[in-house]
Order: sequence, then C-alpha cells, then structure tokens
Amino acid sequence: GAGVSQSPSNKVTEKGKDVELRCDPISGHTALYWYRQSLGQGLEFLIYFQGNSAPDKSGLPSDRFSAERTGGSVSTLTIQRTQQEDSAVYLCASSLERYNEQFFGPGTRLTVL
Amino acid sequence: GDSVTQMEGPVTLSEEAFLTINCTYTATGYPSLFWYVQYPGEGLQLLLKATKADDKGSNKGFEATYRKETTSFHLEKGSVQVSDSAVYFCALLNTGTASKLTFGTGTRLQVTL
Repeated sequence: GAGVSQSPSNKVTEKGKDVELRCDPISGHTALYWYRQSLGQGLEFLIYFQGNSAPDKSGLPSDRFSAERTGGSVSTLTIQRTQQEDSAVYLCASSLERYNEQFFGPGTRLTVL
Repeated sequence: GDSVTQMEGPVTLSEEAFLTINCTYTATGYPSLFWYVQYPGEGLQLLLKATKADDKGSNKGFEATYRKETTSFHLEKGSVQVSDSAVYFCALLNTGTASKLTFGTGTRLQVTL
C-alpha cells in the first residue's frame, strides 16, 4: 500500500510568513509523529499524536509551532511568523500503534529567506 | 534523559571492506534499538531493529546486536558495496517513558571502488 506522504516537498518562504506542512500517514496507523532534521541539531522530535490527541508536544520549539490531526488521519504542522532558524527538513512518521515501528515520509524541506 | 551517541563521520571505505559504526545509548528501562538509513535524496528507512538484550537485528547483510552490558548497538557489515553509501542513524525507543524515537547524530558512509 501507499507509504507516508508529505506536501509540499519543498517550501521557500520569507521571514515572518506563516507556513503549513501536511502529512498523510499510512492508512490505519493510529500514531503519528513529527520530527525535524537540521544541520545544527540533527533529528529532533517535535510532537506525537495518538488518534486526534497530542499527548506529547514536548519537542515543539516555541509557541509559533502548532499541529493538529483530524479524522485520525491527516496532520498539519503550522509555523507562524517563520524565522531563518526554522529552515530544516520536516519529517512525518506513522506507526500502527504506539511503540510500533515508525515509517517515515520523504519530508518537506523548508527554507526561510 | 535518553540519548544516543554514534561515531563521527564521514567514514570512507573501499568496496568489499568491513564496516563498523559504533553506537552507544543511555536510557532508563529497556528500550528498543534501531538503525535507520537515509540514501541520498531519499527519506529515512528502517534498516534493522532489536527489542531486547542479546537480540540480533539483521537486514541486507547488515547486523547489530543489542548489548545491554555495554549499552551498545554497533552496526556491522562484512563487505560493503558502493550502493551502501548513505547516512546511518542509530535510534532508541523507550517504551517505558515515551513514544518518540531518540536519534544519534548520524554517520555518513562513503564507499568507493
């Protein structure tokens, strides 16, 4: 079946603009995760969803970052008032249940000018 | 908190050479351990995993053994190929305390003819 998909694959924006990144998990996967991959920080966890709830938001770096998940499926990560340090590849992953193997999407490369 | 330490790269090897990439971890409880691989221009893929002490994960000629006494999960391959050139990430999932993967910084492997 289809894997995890993310859109857009690339996003270039100006400092101060808001961006939305989308993740479509594997059908039937109840758990969804967002990570960020940047040169200086490596791979960092951002947020975890179980169904539509987010029991762990501990990795969100500031209140400019938010995420939601609807229908137990699609998730959107929103970054408000983007800063240059937000430039990174944003990765989404899903797993059948919590603690199961996580399958990663191809990522969205965000560049903030 | 949980952490993963892996050897600095890049690692440059000739084809058919033996590969070892060291990985050690710090975690409470009994984490599951993973190696992920990221080929150029592609997303993260699970290479192998081990869920308890003394388990050996293996895939595509790669192996890693979960050593609780040394808190290690070193990746090995007996004979590398040019197509193995990629970035390798060691990661842990601490099912006792969190749902997120904690990653090492990644090790770039370059295999030459």
